[in-house]
Amino acid sequence: AQSVTQPDIHITVSEGASLELRCNYSYGATPYLFWYVQSPGQGLQLLLKYFSGDTLVQGIKGFEAEFKRSQSSFNLRKPSVHWSDAAEYFCAVGARRDDKIIFGKGTRLHILP
Amino acid sequence: ETGVTQSPTHLIKTRGQQVTLRCSSQSGHNTVSWYQQALGQGPQFIFQYYREEENGRGNFPPRFSGLQFPNYSSELNVNALELDDSALYLCAFLTSGLNEQFFGPGTRLTVL
Repeated sequence: AQSVTQPDIHITVSEGASLELRCNYSYGATPYLFWYVQSPGQGLQLLLKYFSGDTLVQGIKGFEAEFKRSQSSFNLRKPSVHWSDAAEYFCAVGARRDDKIIFGKGTRLHILP
Repeated sequence: ETGVTQSPTHLIKTRGQQVTLRCSSQSGHNTVSWYQQALGQGPQFIFQYYREEENGRGNFPPRFSGLQFPNYSSELNVNALELDDSALYLCAFLTSGLNEQFFGPGTRLTVL
């Protein structure tokens, strides 16, 4: 069965510091992988997605993620965070491009001034 | 701005009641999915509609039902509401060209 694990419930970083949010997935075949961001009271916004090809994908707002098949991971990174990045981040996996998406439980990012 | 709208924004119901949530898109995307997001959790897939037919369902009981209309807007109906149904309900339209799901802002349902 598909599943997504985000081991960090909360992460706090200082503004300007680098960020890495961890995501591990369980799926038999090559998964379709996503990172979404959710600000308070808002819906989900897609940051980036991986379907195939280059394992390092670039997204919006300066985010990137790297697919590592050997580690079943799809970690999200940003070299320098801004206060506006404070939000909830969800990693997700799908079996096909138009399939249901299985979400992790999320990581809440806090930014220190 | 995703162009996906949901109504109402907030809703309070009591146990045993029925509720209808609505979702629409500015663009004519023919695939819509519904998700339930309980507090502190990630969204969970309820079901998907494609061209007015249910096209996949998650682990939700039959009292969760849906409709998709010819204009591709959609409804989620929940009968016999339970306290655990309190959650944010999200809909998402799939763009076939971009292979991306655009989510609406959600409807916050509280069951008392």
